[in-house]
Amino acid sequence: DVKVTQSSRYLVKRTGEKVFLECVQDMDHENMFWYRQDPGLGLRLIYFSYDVKMKEKGDIPEGYSVSREKKERFSLILESASTNQTSMYLCASSPPGGSMNTEAFFGQGTRLTVV
Amino acid sequence: GESVGLHLPTLSVQEGDNSIINCAYSNSASDYFIWYKQESGKGPQFIIDIRSNMDKRQGQRVTVLLNKTVKHLSLQIAATQPGDSAVYFCAERGGGNEKLTFGTGTRLTIIP
Repeated sequence: DVKVTQSSRYLVKRTGEKVFLECVQDMDHENMFWYRQDPGLGLRLIYFSYDVKMKEKGDIPEGYSVSREKKERFSLILESASTNQTSMYLCASSPPGGSMNTEAFFGQGTRLTVV
Repeated sequence: GESVGLHLPTLSVQEGDNSIINCAYSNSASDYFIWYKQESGKGPQFIIDIRSNMDKRQGQRVTVLLNKTVKHLSLQIAATQPGDSAVYFCAERGGGNEKLTFGTGTRLTIIP
């Protein structure tokens, strides 16, 4: 069974802290994504990666960075957490777009609260 | 249907009836579309997908329709059940880009 695992379900961090959100997939997928989900705004793409050490900005990259040192792991970094980054964070992975079945598989989400 | 804003579009349907959820997409170069279902406290789960060379695809109790002329996507759920209550998202990808873009979602409530 395919699996995308996010390291934490719930996190509480203080303003100004550096925060790491970890995501691991076991499907050998090339693509990995980080989204944040806020009420009424749907899923907004923060960053994505289509290969190891490759990354591209999504729609709302400000205040975030990412790291993809290994194919199975994609980390989201909040350099200096702020209260407006309180949100649900979702990680996903997918095969390349040219593949037959290219849907993205999601982790269970990390609810981050910045106080 | 899908819209941008703070209020999630909602749809209430009587159990056993059919439901239709709509989505307007923006990128005419998109060539792959997916519907996801998200239950409370969980990540989105894949329901059905369709490529741009098709206009209809059927699954178990679900049908996706694609109208490329007006850039419109719909999800039909037949004989709805209480377990169908969730938020439904459409997503699009294409134009030589691996980026997967989501709509804002529609909350479907099944009335027993």
